[in-house]
This record gives sequence, C-alpha cells and structure tokens, in this order.
Amino acid sequence: DVKVTQSSRYLVKRTGEKVFLECVQDMDHENMFWYRQDPGLGLRLIYFSYDVKMKEKGDIPEGYSVSREKKERFSLILESASTNQTSMYLCASSFWGSLSGANVLTFGAGSRLTVL
Amino acid sequence: AQKITQTQPGMFVQEKEAVTLDCTYDTSDPSYGLFWYKQPSSGEMIFLIYQGSYDQQNATEGRYSLNFQKARKSANLVISASQLGDSAMYFCAMRINAGGTSYGKLTFGQGTILTVHP
Repeated sequence: DVKVTQSSRYLVKRTGEKVFLECVQDMDHENMFWYRQDPGLGLRLIYFSYDVKMKEKGDIPEGYSVSREKKERFSLILESASTNQTSMYLCASSFWGSLSGANVLTFGAGSRLTVL
Repeated sequence: AQKITQTQPGMFVQEKEAVTLDCTYDTSDPSYGLFWYKQPSSGEMIFLIYQGSYDQQNATEGRYSLNFQKARKSANLVISASQLGDSAMYFCAMRINAGGTSYGKLTFGQGTILTVHP
C-alpha cells in the first residue's frame, strides 16, 4: 500500500560528494515536493514541481537542485554535499489545483542524510 | 509571507485526558487551509485534520477536533481521550489558495512533541 517511496532510508556521505535522493509516487499526482526537517525548525520547503520538467524554488533552495523527467519521479540533488545539509529529507505529492476538501499532501517515509 | 507558529516544544498528558496543541498563523490572504499532521517515531507523516478558512464549523475527525478562531488566527488541535499511541510529534501547517488554485505546498510550524503517560 506504499504510495510515496523514497529510495534510501539512511545515507552517509562525505563532504563534497554529489548526492541523489529519489522519490517515486504511484498516485498520478501532479505536484511533488521536497522538504527538509530539522529539530526546532519544523519542515521547510526546498523545491516543488507541478508538472514534468517544471520546478519552483521553495524557501531554502540554496545548495540543492531537482529533476522531474517523469510524472511519478522527483529527484533531489546535492551537487556538493556539506555538513549543514545533514538532515531528514521528506518527499511528498498531491493533486494539482484542487481546492475542494483537503487536497492532502502524502509523504514518503523520509531519508536521513548524514554528511561527514 | 505566511508563517505558522507552534509555541509548545513539548506537552505531556495523562492517558484518557484531553490535550490541546497550540497553533497560530499569519497571512494576509483570505483563502487558506490549515492542516495538522502527526509524525510518530517511525518518521512517516500522517494527515489528521483539515480546516478551510471559509468553513463555518470547526473540523472534527474522530478524537481530533480543530478549534479554529479566525479573528485570533489560531488553529489549535484538540485530542480527546488521549491514548499511548498518540505520543508523537505534531505539526500544524497552512496552504495558501492563491488565484483560485493551489499547488498544494504547505508551510509548517516547528512542531510539538506530545508524550502520553499511562
């Protein structure tokens, strides 16, 4: 019954490495999101996408990029990982444009990244 | 820009008691939605309840109710008859419904850790 799948639950990388975090959803959602979660700061939006090949910056895009080549897949890329990117990363998806009801974000289980 | 504030880093409650988790928000947009999510220690985010800014009645979902006070810009979550399984992190979040549509992005508060004692 898994609907949003994040490829790695735990990752350990070195400073300067290129890091890919993958997210796949099977609900045919248009919108996909990447958040990072840090204690005391809650969840902060990094990037989101409302269509294939479309992307928008969130609140903290610096040091990150994203790719959405297929509707179901949204990748977060750390071009050169740094220790301050050690965090929990959460992917989410939702339908586009619906204001009726809750139009709830569905989240993946998260990827905990440690950069040494 | 919109902002969500949860001022209680941690809350404790006795099993079977009710508990209120505070959330205040700030936005100048008239159309918005307010959400509460639960995050157990396993990490997944579980949607609990939703309130639209134009909804006349407070939202309820089972043991969860949202105390929506629009003039005060507050959206507190009330959990009745707490259970041990309610121990988790709770996040309040807001979506702005701009231009008649929504990309669905949420702005989150800092979170409140709820511990239910037996």
